[in-house]
Amino acid sequence: DTAVSQTPKYLVTQMGNDKSIKCEQNLGHDTMYWYKQDSKKFLKIMFSYNNKELIINETVPNRFSPKSPDKAHLNLHINSLELGDSAVYFCASSQVPNTEAFFGQGTRLTVV
Amino acid sequence: GESVGLHLPTLSVQEGDNSIINCAYSNSASDYFIWYKQESGKGPQFIIDIRSNMDKRQGQRVTVLLNKTVKHLSLQIAATQPGDSAVYFCAGMYSGGGADGLTFGKGTHLIIQP
Repeated sequence: DTAVSQTPKYLVTQMGNDKSIKCEQNLGHDTMYWYKQDSKKFLKIMFSYNNKELIINETVPNRFSPKSPDKAHLNLHINSLELGDSAVYFCASSQVPNTEAFFGQGTRLTVV
Repeated sequence: GESVGLHLPTLSVQEGDNSIINCAYSNSASDYFIWYKQESGKGPQFIIDIRSNMDKRQGQRVTVLLNKTVKHLSLQIAATQPGDSAVYFCAGMYSGGGADGLTFGKGTHLIIQP
């Protein structure tokens, strides 16, 4: 069973579109995250979500918004996609904040 | 904030040799560090972690060393195997600072030569 699963694995879309990436974890963790990995493999946190507390990295454009219907899910919505949004997006979860995080397989987003 | 970086972007070693991947961090308040391994097309996978009250921790074929004085940590992989080829990231955080996640370094690509 996959602990942290993301869908889709690949997403190709045109500039200006709105898209969502879904994430689910079956580990019973309380905290979930979204990370962005650029073409140089640099991983940067975008959001963390714990017990309905959302912490946002101030560098993330407000076109990006996380949505958590329940503790096991943290979806990422992106509005008005831009070329620079092309990257691999990773969802992750941890039992409590600031401990070992388990990562999903990633979603490769390509904006054309 | 935290800044975590790696000294070398690429490290090439012979199969069977030991490898050492280095990492420096800037935030002296960081008290928890993790090494992750990322294989091509996959997400980062936990290898080993260490808290600031320790200076060494060993796992299976891996050892992490932490030097708080110079804010440096390293990952040692013994008897490297082809399956060790991957990008390795160090990540750090201040565990008492709220749900702000890990700050990752830039990654080192470890290449195992036959």
